[in-house]
Amino acid sequence: GAGVSQSPSNKVTEKGKDVELRCDPISGHTALYWYRQRLGQGLEFLIYFQGNSAPDKSGLPSDRFSAERTGESVSTLTIQRTQQEDSAVYLCATATDKYNEQFFGPGTRLTVL
Amino acid sequence: DQQVKQNSPSLSVQEGRISILNCDYTNSMFDYFLWYKKYPAEGPTFLISISSIKDKNEDGRFTVFLNKSAKHLSLHIVPSQPGDSAVYFCAAKIGGSQGNLIFGKGTKLSVKP
Repeated sequence: GAGVSQSPSNKVTEKGKDVELRCDPISGHTALYWYRQRLGQGLEFLIYFQGNSAPDKSGLPSDRFSAERTGESVSTLTIQRTQQEDSAVYLCATATDKYNEQFFGPGTRLTVL
Repeated sequence: DQQVKQNSPSLSVQEGRISILNCDYTNSMFDYFLWYKKYPAEGPTFLISISSIKDKNEDGRFTVFLNKSAKHLSLHIVPSQPGDSAVYFCAAKIGGSQGNLIFGKGTKLSVKP
């Protein structure tokens, strides 16, 4: 497809379990971002990948959160030992080198029971 | 501490009238600003942007105004249409780099027929 895709669209898990969220970027977009939006809140930056450079992890809320991306391909966001406060919509966005606009995927709604 | 603030969580406007959405920021290093629109169950989509070297940018029914001395920007939609009903996010960044956007919490716009 032409846009950013994310899977799964919805994920319900039990507290303490690990989850993995996936983002398929727009082809050719070297920059990839993960954001989180909790209920009633704005988008919260989590992590940023730019090509093969070391990622900017400054937004990750705890060491239970990690993300990977190889080159300009798929990225996965992993949350270990999920907590109820991790419940949110997790959004992925990608951008080219030349433009400031980020193009967002539809998000994954994570519910931790 | 929020660097980008949207103090109105919601706004209701009659179809055909003007919608004005406001955004304030605190970081004087921000020099590129964007507005995103988000429908339920979808990712945010880019709407319009403005660089700090300008004080106005217009695209069809959408105009963004920037007042740097007041650290304030606004999005004007005229005439408003029911399809404009969505959550609008203001975002800011230090332009020229592909760092992360700093988002406000959003304003939910309802345009009534």
